Amino acid sequence: KNQVEQSPQSLIILEGKNCTLQCNYTVSPFSNLRWYKQDTGRGPVSLTIMTFSENTKSNGRYTATLDADTKQSSLHITASQLSDSASYICVVIPTSGTYKYIFGTGTRLKVLA
Amino acid sequence: NAGVTQTPKFQVLKTGQSMTLQCAQDMNHEYMSWYRQDPGMGLRLIHYSVGAGITDQGEVPNGYNVSRSTTEDFPLRLLSAAPSQTSVYFCASTAGGVGSYNEQFFGPGTRLTVL
Repeated sequence: KNQVEQSPQSLIILEGKNCTLQCNYTVSPFSNLRWYKQDTGRGPVSLTIMTFSENTKSNGRYTATLDADTKQSSLHITASQLSDSASYICVVIPTSGTYKYIFGTGTRLKVLA
Repeated sequence: NAGVTQTPKFQVLKTGQSMTLQCAQDMNHEYMSWYRQDPGMGLRLIHYSVGAGITDQGEVPNGYNVSRSTTEDFPLRLLSAAPSQTSVYFCASTAGGVGSYNEQFFGPGTRLTVL
């Protein structure tokens, strides 16, 4: 069964610190892997999109990496800010059934001053 | 551009009532979808559409109907509300077709409570 699992479930860090969120997936083959940011009470917003052949993709202080051999992805946040407090969701789009995105349950990040 | 809009933002229904959640986008996207988000679970696909007049079922379609008469609008109908349908509902749209790497845009969500 196609699954996307994220860890940790929640994380608390101090402002200015770095952190890394993990995503493990069993979806194969897949077209692309995405990371979304979801602020409380809002819809998810796309941060990065990586094809199966890409290893890394950056968007400002957000850097996503992908290891297709181990079926793992990570999202690294550099120099965290209070506005980074949100849920971060990993999404994998399978090659077949491409419209049926597979969402992880997310990591809830809290950045403290 | 307004992007993806959803109405209402909040709704309380009694068991057995019906209602329609509205979704509209002004980006001329072909692909639109409805998700529900429940605590501790990832977003789950209810129904999706790849263009006007074309809809298909997602992972959890039971109890919901959709139609797509125009590119812009994709309403979701609850036929007879049940407490299990208490959730936050998101509409999303994406440009492009199969294998698209284009960004997916979400609406602000509708928080539905069924008593």
